[in-house]
Amino acid sequence: GQNIDQPTEMTATEGAIVQINCTYQTSGFNGLFWYQQHAGEAPTFLSYNVLDGLEEKGRFSSFLSRSKGYSYLLLKELQMKDSASYLCAVMDSNYQLIWGAGTKLIIKP
Amino acid sequence: GAVVSQHPSWVICKSGTSVKIECRSLDFQATTMFWYRQFPKQSLMLMATSNEGSKATYEQGVEKDKFLINHASLTLSTLTVTSAHPEDSSFYICSARIVAGAAETQYFGPGTRLLVL
Repeated sequence: GQNIDQPTEMTATEGAIVQINCTYQTSGFNGLFWYQQHAGEAPTFLSYNVLDGLEEKGRFSSFLSRSKGYSYLLLKELQMKDSASYLCAVMDSNYQLIWGAGTKLIIKP
Repeated sequence: GAVVSQHPSWVICKSGTSVKIECRSLDFQATTMFWYRQFPKQSLMLMATSNEGSKATYEQGVEKDKFLINHASLTLSTLTVTSAHPEDSSFYICSARIVAGAAETQYFGPGTRLLVL
């Protein structure tokens, strides 16, 4: 079956760095997405990785290793507004999105 | 874990026809389901919130007569794109919400690709 695993919850301190991991097992691979979702709001697109390596976009970076079925989202210089759920989703060979359950990130002062 | 399914996965239709997309929560009851539209590498755009047994709440700019939503049971919501046009071609994603006490979890469906010719 198809499966996406990510931690349920993580806690970090304002100003610090946090890495949210995502491992996946899917039938085919057409890219991996990271979304941020604040409570009561629609998911916001953060990144899309289809090739191995690190993609940096401001304070957020996303890494992909297709051979390991692994990705991470790295958040630097954490701000209180980064408290949210972070969703990992993989597009499979049928271009369907397989979603992780999301990681709730709690930022403490 | 909880699973949300969508049917069909892909739809190709002629301009002017209507298309129905189903969203089902497979092993839980969802009083609230959401319908989103996604353009490539962009955020999910909320179209409407569907509550079981009542009328859907549409976001500003979404035509309720064009995008008909029916949430007839606790496990099924449908989105019907009426008189579809090429500009309606998109990736439609639904999600279902579970509320357990103070905790709330949202599960997303795999999406339905609509191509209107």
